[in-house]
Amino acid sequence: GQQVMQIPQYQHVQEGEDFTTYCNSSTTLSNIQWYKQRPGGHPVFLIQLVKSGEVKKQKRLTFQFGEAKKNSSLHITATQTTDVGTYFCAGPVSGGTASKLTFGTGTRLQVTL
Amino acid sequence: ETGVTQTPRHLVMGMTNKKSLKCEQHLGHNAMYWYKQSAKKPLELMFVYNFKEQTENNSVPSRFSPECPNSSHLFLHLHTLQPEDSALYLCASSQGASGGTDTQYFGPGTRLTVL
Repeated sequence: GQQVMQIPQYQHVQEGEDFTTYCNSSTTLSNIQWYKQRPGGHPVFLIQLVKSGEVKKQKRLTFQFGEAKKNSSLHITATQTTDVGTYFCAGPVSGGTASKLTFGTGTRLQVTL
Repeated sequence: ETGVTQTPRHLVMGMTNKKSLKCEQHLGHNAMYWYKQSAKKPLELMFVYNFKEQTENNSVPSRFSPECPNSSHLFLHLHTLQPEDSALYLCASSQGASGGTDTQYFGPGTRLTVL
């Protein structure tokens, strides 16, 4: 079945450093979504990318969808302690009548002062 | 965020108990989902309901029994669980559009511990 892997599994940075997580799918995706889960919280939708090579920015966060639509990345510039959490990418499962997603393995980000 | 609520937030149960998890969405969505999140594992999709009809059962053991009486409510009935079923159970909802283009809104989850 479809697999979505993320690397790294965990990253610890000092506040102000940059951070990047990479997402790779075993199959071509029609779109990719990113979610953030704070410690003790639940996943919260961040963004969706649809077009090949698409790049979107949200303040210090930059999201990119690969040309082949099989990979994506999330880059955070100058991390802050509020960025702490686990970042998941998710790709749709083909077929079905509802929005089924396969979530990636997640990257846990720890930021210290 | 109060769009998707879940009760209880925490549950401890023995292996012979029967309990139910409840999820309610106030977003007017048509699709609802149950996920299991274990430590060091990705989110595992368990069940999908679209317009109250179950459209996905992701090879979930029969000791988990979902119920969707209407588009706003989703239950997960639990019986004779195993300790390895201890996890965070997350409910989510979405508009229900096909093709995986709509986003999912998650509830706060129920932290389940099976003794």
